[in-house]
Amino acid sequence: DQQVKQNSPSLSVQEGRISILNCDYTNSMFDYFLWYKKYPAEGPTFLISISSIKDKNEDGRFTVFLNKSAKHLSLHIVPSQPGDSAVYFCAADRGSTLGRLYFGRGTQLTVWP
Amino acid sequence: KAGVTQTPRYLIKTRGQQVTLSCSPISGHRSVSWYQQTPGQGLQFLFEYFSETQRNKGNFPGRFSGRQFSNSRSEMNVSTLELGDSALYLCASSRDRVVEGLFFGEGSRLTVL
Repeated sequence: DQQVKQNSPSLSVQEGRISILNCDYTNSMFDYFLWYKKYPAEGPTFLISISSIKDKNEDGRFTVFLNKSAKHLSLHIVPSQPGDSAVYFCAADRGSTLGRLYFGRGTQLTVWP
Repeated sequence: KAGVTQTPRYLIKTRGQQVTLSCSPISGHRSVSWYQQTPGQGLQFLFEYFSETQRNKGNFPGRFSGRQFSNSRSEMNVSTLELGDSALYLCASSRDRVVEGLFFGEGSRLTVL
């Protein structure tokens, strides 16, 4: 059962524009959400996170928005840069399941000049 | 500070064989998690260890097992390999709760022929 879903397998954006990556979840017990970035031949790298008690968290060019009523979160990258081209994974944490994250299948972001 | 180290990086096995993968977490991290990544399924949780105890286990058959040593290093073993076990196996470490973010190694790429 895929409790975290990323319905867009790929996204292509021009350099300088905004990239919006979306993620939906089904389990209302999730209380923390994270985004990871993965380059080929490397492990995923933690990018940004948000607690369920907030609706927005910002870190430089990266902002994550959480809409709990819609069970939806999104990652905004502004402005997008070619170096941002990678696979982005959305992940969720259920407080009672220590050490486990539920991952989406990822979205391949391509930023072109 | 050294990152998460996984060995071997690449390996090829044949059906029916067994394999052992090793993971050295970041110094001071006591939680080690293992994930399987395949193109169609994304990152699937295998199990998590904390202070030599398995705290959580995903939905994988008993052929998949693991352990953690007193120095927090971890190993995972897959017995009676099947073609479908071909995947990237990722190890991640954290202090305790995943809310601080999991720190991933580069993975061990297993190919089963």
